[in-house]
Parts: sequence; structure tokens; C-alpha cells
Amino acid sequence: QVQLQESGPGLMKPSETLSLTCAVSGDSISNGYYWGWIRQPPGKGLEWIGSIYYTGSTFYNPSLESRLTISVDTSKNQFSLKLNSVSASDTARYFCARSTATTGTFVYWGQGSLVTVSS
Amino acid sequence: DIQMTQSPSSLSASIGDTVTITCRASRSISRYLNWYQQRPGKAPKLLISDASTSQTGAPSNFSGGGSGTDFTLTISSLQSEDFATYYCQQSYSTPYTFGQGTKVEIK
Repeated sequence: QVQLQESGPGLMKPSETLSLTCAVSGDSISNGYYWGWIRQPPGKGLEWIGSIYYTGSTFYNPSLESRLTISVDTSKNQFSLKLNSVSASDTARYFCARSTATTGTFVYWGQGSLVTVSS
Repeated sequence: DIQMTQSPSSLSASIGDTVTITCRASRSISRYLNWYQQRPGKAPKLLISDASTSQTGAPSNFSGGGSGTDFTLTISSLQSEDFATYYCQQSYSTPYTFGQGTKVEIK
């Protein structure tokens, strides 16, 4: 069974850089598929952040692209997100997920990591 | 960006009822439409992909339909575990976008 587990800082201050990692088990990132990040502010809906292929090919949401880097580490079977210059509007639960053969359809999800940005 | 609009935003229904949620895309997305169920405090769960393909393990009382810009999710014979929030999502083009969600509550 494919399992994903996010890890992150929990609480951050404005202007800091958010770093999140998604550890994958039960599947190899190098087997293909796209691996993505989706976030959900408290009490609100879902927003796709970006996705990466095991080769390192990425595509990002334009609304975040200027602050965003998604990378993959096949040796550790994990992928990561970095978001620069966070503000209160970046407060959300951040989910990592794996796609089906269709790149934008997410079939396996982590439980999510809550990130709160507050001074 | 393709805007996804769900209706209603919430609904109340009784166990055993049949309910339908609609999702409209701001332009044609063929059949690149997914439906997710999210229970409180949990990650979304993929129910239906490509407008009408049920996922392995998804309950049989869920069905999807539509193409182009208009789509539906029908839940037949509502069970207690079906009370949750449902999201549509287009996978036609990036940025992938979600509807605002429909909360199904117990009447």
C-alpha cells in the first residue's frame, strides 16, 4: 500500500522559508507518476500548489511560482517543497499526494501537515 | 485558470436519500473531472476520476456523469459515512483547480 507522510515546522514567522518533506513508502518515486502538493487553509477549500516527476520536471501554480521550489530525492524516496517569504495567508494544512497515470488526478494522499504563520 | 463552481455549497439530507451535486467548469474540460470526499480532519479521498470512473474501494452508491462544462456527482441511498464534504477538480490543464466544496449534512 502506498503511504505518504509529510513533515514540517508547524509554526513559522512571517518572511521565513517554509520547508516540507514528503516521505514515500510502498512505492518508488522512480516508478513514474507525478507527485504533488496541495494545501487547504483552515475551514476553506483545496488549492493545488505544484507537481514533480521523478526526473525533476516540475510544474507550478502561477500564483505561487515566484516563491516556490519543488524537488525530488530519489535516493531517499522523498520529495520536498520550499516556499519563500511566507505570510499569514500561507497558513494551511499541506498535503502531499501521488497522481494516477493522469498527472492531475491524485489517488494517494498523506495525512497533511498543519503550518501556521504567525508573528 | 479554469474556474470550478459547485452547487449547492451545502445540503441537508436523510439517510437513504439520493442527492446530486453539480460542478460547472468555466470552459470545456472534456471529461477531465475528478470527485473527492473529505471527512473532517482527514485527507481527501478520490472517489471518481475522468467524470465517471469509480475508484477501487469507492462505495458503489456513488456515480458521476457529464462532459464538457457540466458534471454531476450522485450519491444514492445515503449512508451515515457519506456525510462529508465533496470537491470536484479539473485535471485538464494546469493550474489544476478545485470547486469550493459541497458539505453534505444530516437532516
